[in-house]
Amino acid sequence: EVQLVESGGGLVQPGGSLRLSCAASGFTFSDHYMDWVRQAPGKGLEWVGRTRNKANSYTTEYAPSVKGRFTVSRDDSKNSLYLQMNSLRTEDTAVYYCAVTTVTTWALDYWGQGNPVTVSS
Amino acid sequence: DIQLTQSPSFLSASVGDRVTITCRASQGIRSSLVWYQQKPGKAPKLLIYTASTLQSGVPSRFSGSGSGTEFTLTISSLQPEDFATYYCQQVNSYPLTFGGGTKVEIK
Repeated sequence: EVQLVESGGGLVQPGGSLRLSCAASGFTFSDHYMDWVRQAPGKGLEWVGRTRNKANSYTTEYAPSVKGRFTVSRDDSKNSLYLQMNSLRTEDTAVYYCAVTTVTTWALDYWGQGNPVTVSS
Repeated sequence: DIQLTQSPSFLSASVGDRVTITCRASQGIRSSLVWYQQKPGKAPKLLIYTASTLQSGVPSRFSGSGSGTEFTLTISSLQPEDFATYYCQQVNSYPLTFGGGTKVEIK
């Protein structure tokens, strides 16, 4: 059974930093692209960023709203995905989901339970 | 960036109704469209990928169609568990983008 468990969220002041983690199990983590998606309170879904797999050199892609501030990374030896968030703004307040993409579907096949992040003074 | 416009943003329907949701892309995306279902307080769930392929385990009352710029998600006979918010997503080019969502509520 695929499981994605996020951690590391919480309250942070504007301008601060936070690192989210996502522990994966139930599939061959190293084979897959991994994504972060967020959802602000009462709003829709917003794709944040992606890391490709080793075969694709772990390259990354980002949404324009977070590019230069957020970094997606992974540690295949720990089956873990990370989101380093710097220079946080109040508009980054959201529930953050990690998700796994397969090249079969090119969709976000499985999602974590979500991890709330609040940026407020 | 590719914009996705979903319509309607809200619909009220009864159990047994046929429901159709539309997703329009600001430029052609071939068949690179995905549909998700999200219930309150839960993570989204994959329903359909490549515009019309049903994800394993998803009931056959769900179907998707379209290519290029216009896509539809159809629920042939709405069930109580289908009341939720539905999102389309384009996976044709970066940045990946979602539609604004369609909330399906009980009439």
